[in-house]
Amino acid sequence: DTEVTQTPKHLVMGMTNKKSLKCEQHMGHRAMYWYKQKAKKPPELMFVYSYEKLSINESVPSRFSPECPNSSLLNLHLHALQPEDSALYLCASSQATGGNQPQHFGDGTRLSIL
Amino acid sequence: AQSVTQPDIHITVSEGASLELRCNYSYGATPYLFWYVQSPGQGLQLLLKYFSGDTLVQGIKGFEAEFKRSQSSFNLRKPSVHWSDAAEYFCAVGRPNTGFQKLVFGTGTRLLVSP
Repeated sequence: DTEVTQTPKHLVMGMTNKKSLKCEQHMGHRAMYWYKQKAKKPPELMFVYSYEKLSINESVPSRFSPECPNSSLLNLHLHALQPEDSALYLCASSQATGGNQPQHFGDGTRLSIL
Repeated sequence: AQSVTQPDIHITVSEGASLELRCNYSYGATPYLFWYVQSPGQGLQLLLKYFSGDTLVQGIKGFEAEFKRSQSSFNLRKPSVHWSDAAEYFCAVGRPNTGFQKLVFGTGTRLLVSP
């Protein structure tokens, strides 16, 4: 059982839709992350939140909009996505953002863009 | 720039046989080192980590890894593989003493376990 919960597990959406991915953790972690993972590839970092503030945006297109309403929740709002955005989206959390902080991953949301 | 190399894309091991997955990193100082496992359709699970001290670290599920500074390696081992170990394994590196640095992942090694 993972301690980082992501919903939904699967999402199919059209290119004009608006949807959101949700991530929740109750480990008291103060850093949360969004990753994108294409098939047979390692995860690619998208965003990092530290103490509920966006600290890193890895030049992600604006059709992806992150939000951290509180220390336990992380959302990823999606709008006007492209077929190449189909991927597994992983959320992770860690106690802090130092390089020695293990990140704990959720099981991801499998996103398919029609 | 730091990098992580996992030279084996696929490895097939018989059930009950020993396993070694290779990981080499490129970085001037000793980084923080991690091994993660990803089963199909799931997220990444941390197997073990190395920061300093004893160069042989024990992890979950019977895995261990040895840090060798002279070889810039952090290879993962298991003495007897079980069919449930079939998965994708990622080595990752974090940089010390520089605030946040993103984890740099290797390209992964897919482990297949034959009966």
